Amino acid sequence: DIQMTQSPSSLSASVGDRVTITCRASQGINNYLAWFQQKPGKAPKSLIYAASSLQSGVPSKFSGSGSGTDFTLTISSLQPEDFATYYCQQYNSYPLTFGGGTKVEIK
Amino acid sequence: EVQLLESGGGLVQPGGSPRLSCAASGFTFSSYAMSWVRQAPGKGLEWVSGISNSGGGTNYADSVKGRFTISRDNSKNTLYLQMNSLRVEDTAIYYCAKYRSSGWYSDFDFWGQGTLVTVSS
Repeated sequence: DIQMTQSPSSLSASVGDRVTITCRASQGINNYLAWFQQKPGKAPKSLIYAASSLQSGVPSKFSGSGSGTDFTLTISSLQPEDFATYYCQQYNSYPLTFGGGTKVEIK
Repeated sequence: EVQLLESGGGLVQPGGSPRLSCAASGFTFSSYAMSWVRQAPGKGLEWVSGISNSGGGTNYADSVKGRFTISRDNSKNTLYLQMNSLRVEDTAIYYCAKYRSSGWYSDFDFWGQGTLVTVSS
């Protein structure tokens, strides 16, 4: 199975900050990498697919990059509605696997 | 607008056999692969099972293989998860998720709101 390791597991940031979350795969996954946002009590929401493609309707402050084993999700200017937990997920091979999540909290 | 509405969760005894349903609308259900993903209380996301758009292909996480069966009825726009021999560790919110394409190697573009299954005596 491909292990997905996210870092950090949590971070504190202020409104307006630029935030970067990293995700590392235990083996190469090409660009078959997605990012999701989950708020408490809610379902995950797609943000990014194919490592860098923005899901329709998602604001451009979210961006993704990377290929192979190392990937990043960047939020260019953190807003109050962005405080949530973020997950990466690989879909290069089965079983599909998710990172452990990064909780973004208000500083 | 894509909508996925899960049902069938609740309190189940160990060894129980509930069936979850996911009613889909807002897209051509028969054109897309579908999946179940679960989240134990306070934990991360775990993929459970997937099914091809026709229903002819299925796959499962090792943790549920042989106990859970995924199926779909394209005439009813509904996805199912038959869960047998439930264990305490199967306690989770179960989400149904739509693949972006008909194929397996695709991400999930929409998720339902989830249904909670609690396994306890």
